[in-house]
Amino acid sequence: DTGVSQNPRHKITKRGQNVTFRCDPISEHNRLYWYRQTLGQGPEFLTYFQNEAQLEKSRLLSDRFSAERPKGSFSTLEIQRTEQGDSAMYLCAGGLAGGYEQYFGPGTRLTVT
Amino acid sequence: TQLLEQSPQFLSIQEGENLTVYCNSSSVFSSLQWYRQEPGEGPVLLVTVVTGGEVKKLKRLTFQFGDARKDSSLHITAAQPGDTGLYLCAGAGNTDKLIFGTGTRLQVFP
Repeated sequence: DTGVSQNPRHKITKRGQNVTFRCDPISEHNRLYWYRQTLGQGPEFLTYFQNEAQLEKSRLLSDRFSAERPKGSFSTLEIQRTEQGDSAMYLCAGGLAGGYEQYFGPGTRLTVT
Repeated sequence: TQLLEQSPQFLSIQEGENLTVYCNSSSVFSSLQWYRQEPGEGPVLLVTVVTGGEVKKLKRLTFQFGDARKDSSLHITAAQPGDTGLYLCAGAGNTDKLIFGTGTRLQVFP
């Protein structure tokens, strides 16, 4: 158990709806990363935060995606106007600035119908 | 663009056999990590290697980082059914984001 929690674990939504996922890393993690994993593939980087600052965003993160880490603790990832292509496992990971390791949560499985 | 290729993609073996998984790139990575992932769960970190030529052992698992820090291997001795899972290598380059390989799905039969 890495101590990183994600909610919800599963989300089924209809195309066009908005969804929001939450990630709670352990308190020591000043870095928080979001990845997306589709079936049969390795995770792909979306964005990451150091404390509350969003330091990098992938080109995969379209305008429909937004992430926040308002107090430098938990983070939310929102997808607006979901599309079927958004169906994937959304993973978050915590880590330390200057450290190599990233510790993943259990993920949120999104299914867009 | 940094890419990591893993081979083989699938591996199906009997309990007690040995196996090696390879992770290759044309890019240099500052560190490389190996994860194991179960269905419906997040990846679990197994090891981090940082120095070229570094070898780390974790019980029956041996990890090696290539001298040029472009490739890595994972060797499992006497595989057990509990080793079944998706093995992912991931490299960190100029930024701290991880670039993941495509994964090797291992099935160990009793």
